[in-house]
Amino acid sequence: DAKTTQPNSMESNEEEPVHLPCNHSTISGTDYIHWYRQLPSQGPEYVIHGLTSNVNNRMASLAIAEDRKSSTLILHRATLRDAAVYYCILRDVEGGSNTGKLIFGQGTTLQVKP
Amino acid sequence: EPEVTQTPSHQVTQMGQEVILRCVPISNHLYFYWYRQILGQKVEFLVSFYNNEISEKSEIFDDQFSVERPDGSNFTLKIRSTKLEDSAMYFCASSERFHNNQPQHFGDGTRLSIL
Repeated sequence: DAKTTQPNSMESNEEEPVHLPCNHSTISGTDYIHWYRQLPSQGPEYVIHGLTSNVNNRMASLAIAEDRKSSTLILHRATLRDAAVYYCILRDVEGGSNTGKLIFGQGTTLQVKP
Repeated sequence: EPEVTQTPSHQVTQMGQEVILRCVPISNHLYFYWYRQILGQKVEFLVSFYNNEISEKSEIFDDQFSVERPDGSNFTLKIRSTKLEDSAMYFCASSERFHNNQPQHFGDGTRLSIL
């Protein structure tokens, strides 16, 4: 499985933008880049995903580098509720069939200061 | 918005006892998963399930574990003879398809405490 590298922790001030980086230098052409987050005492929550182009949804934006070896999750205006662990995950196709599993790393723990 | 629900939220069991964790996936989803998270550690994949069969299982998912879809709505994880090291949060997830652009939707988990 292709691996991702994220900073262990980041801090942000409330109502400011947050850029969460992820490196995935061994990404393959069929890997989608997914982001999930896990709020305290909750299960993981899907945030956004993309393949090559930048993506926007109601929760966040995903900026993907042209060579796809890195990506950035952007929270445009952080709130206290955005304090969570953010996981960058590559979804790959193994041997022509998709096993479906998500492989979680340690993620980035985001602290949001009021 | 439809969600995955898990019961109970907390289960306390004596070591060696059997435990069943229950999940109700999102109604139109066909693919189901169990993950676990030991306190302070990463979320780990246990098993994926489709069409009443296990699609993939991890090394953690040994003979003491089993999964079942007993009816049209429930998806269960059974641990036959619990060990202390089975203490963890267990998360159920579901998705419409396996395809690698499909998000998985998670429940809030069952905290399993083995005494």
